[in-house]
Amino acid sequence: AQTIHQWPVAEIKAVGSPLSLGCTIKGKSSPNLYWYWQATGGTLQQLFYSITVGQVESVVQLNLSASRPKDDQFILSTEKLLLSHSGFYLCAWRPAGQANSDYTFGSGTRLLVI
Amino acid sequence: TQTVSQSDAHVTVFEGDSVELRCNYSYGGSIYLSWYIQHHGHGLQFLLKYYSGNPVVQGVNGFEAEFSKSDSSFHLRKASVHWSDSAVYFCAVSLSYSSNTNKVVFGTGTRLQVLP
Repeated sequence: AQTIHQWPVAEIKAVGSPLSLGCTIKGKSSPNLYWYWQATGGTLQQLFYSITVGQVESVVQLNLSASRPKDDQFILSTEKLLLSHSGFYLCAWRPAGQANSDYTFGSGTRLLVI
Repeated sequence: TQTVSQSDAHVTVFEGDSVELRCNYSYGGSIYLSWYIQHHGHGLQFLLKYYSGNPVVQGVNGFEAEFSKSDSSFHLRKASVHWSDSAVYFCAVSLSYSSNTNKVVFGTGTRLQVLP
């Protein structure tokens, strides 16, 4: 069975500090991977997606970057956090090459920037 | 540009009541529609989806949704809700133009509160 794990579960960080959020998918080869951001009480906004190792596409510019160093790993990061980065970050995967497949989401990382 | 509208931000019902959560979309091309549920502090879980065929689709836990092309809608329904159905429900629209469709638009969510 496939599993998706996000870390950390929650973070409180200072403005201007760096950030690194991780996501690992086990049990699925070459999945499409996604990062979503959800403001408190808001909807989800797709940030990045990746269909293969080393290849990441940006959907929205929020002074964040993403990388896929391994087939099963997706990293979201920034060197300088802004207050507006606070929110809930969700990683998701879906099978490659299946247009109508549903997403499987991780449990999310809650970030508070102060 | 496709958009998704969930007109009700909050819906409150009593346990055992029926409920309908509304979703309207705007896009003229071939799309697929889905519903996700998010319990407080957790990620989203897939409920159901529609792409073609029977416009009424069945999902988990007694949920169903009906697609209407004429109304551009994909409303979610449940005949008898349970307190554990309290959560935020998101409608999502995705273009189905490629095998690696990556563009998904979520609605703003409807918070369902089920009272005992």
